[in-house]
Amino acid sequence: GENVEQHPSTLSVQEGDSAVIKCTYSDSASNYFPWYKQELGKRPQLIIDIRSNVGEKKDQRIAVTLNKTAKHFSLHITETQPEDSAVYFCAAVNFGNEKLTFGTGTRLTIIP
Amino acid sequence: EPEVTQTPSHQVTQMGQEVILRCVPISNHLYFYWYRQILGQKVEFLVSFYNNEISEKSEIFDDQFSVERPDGSNFTLKIRSTKLEDSAMYFCASRSGTSTDTQYFGPGTRLTVL
Repeated sequence: GENVEQHPSTLSVQEGDSAVIKCTYSDSASNYFPWYKQELGKRPQLIIDIRSNVGEKKDQRIAVTLNKTAKHFSLHITETQPEDSAVYFCAAVNFGNEKLTFGTGTRLTIIP
Repeated sequence: EPEVTQTPSHQVTQMGQEVILRCVPISNHLYFYWYRQILGQKVEFLVSFYNNEISEKSEIFDDQFSVERPDGSNFTLKIRSTKLEDSAMYFCASRSGTSTDTQYFGPGTRLTVL
């Protein structure tokens, strides 16, 4: 089955700097890669996603890149703000088998 | 904006008791899921449900677990005989299956087994 690894597990950046979180996946059939933000005690919230036929996607301060050959994808947050502090999870799914396989999460702390 | 809802927000039960966790998916969504998250760990897939039947389940989803969509709106997860290790946050999610691949998560039910 699919295995998703995520690094780093914790990340602290100064407010205004950029943050990068990286994930690798094992199943070459995976074709959809969402990123979720989870604040303490809250539900995972989708922040951006990318399909396997696209190499990069951007939404304001957030971007995701996908390298299908290397089977890795990354989340980039620019001009970080205190409200970006949360746990971020990457995930992969092959819609042949429905389930989201999550990475282990990255606790991002923005230092004011 | 429509959201997935879940009840109760927190359930405390004694080991060996049955619990039913309830979810109301987003209206017109066709695919439904249960996930769990043990405190401090990643979110883990339990089961997916489509067209009134299970489409996939994980190794966690053993005979103690069952799912049901009894009335066309609610989607329930039943744990027949709870164990201490069932203590976790349980998230329901739904997906439209048409215009988007996105799974939308509910707020979760925190299950505490004593």
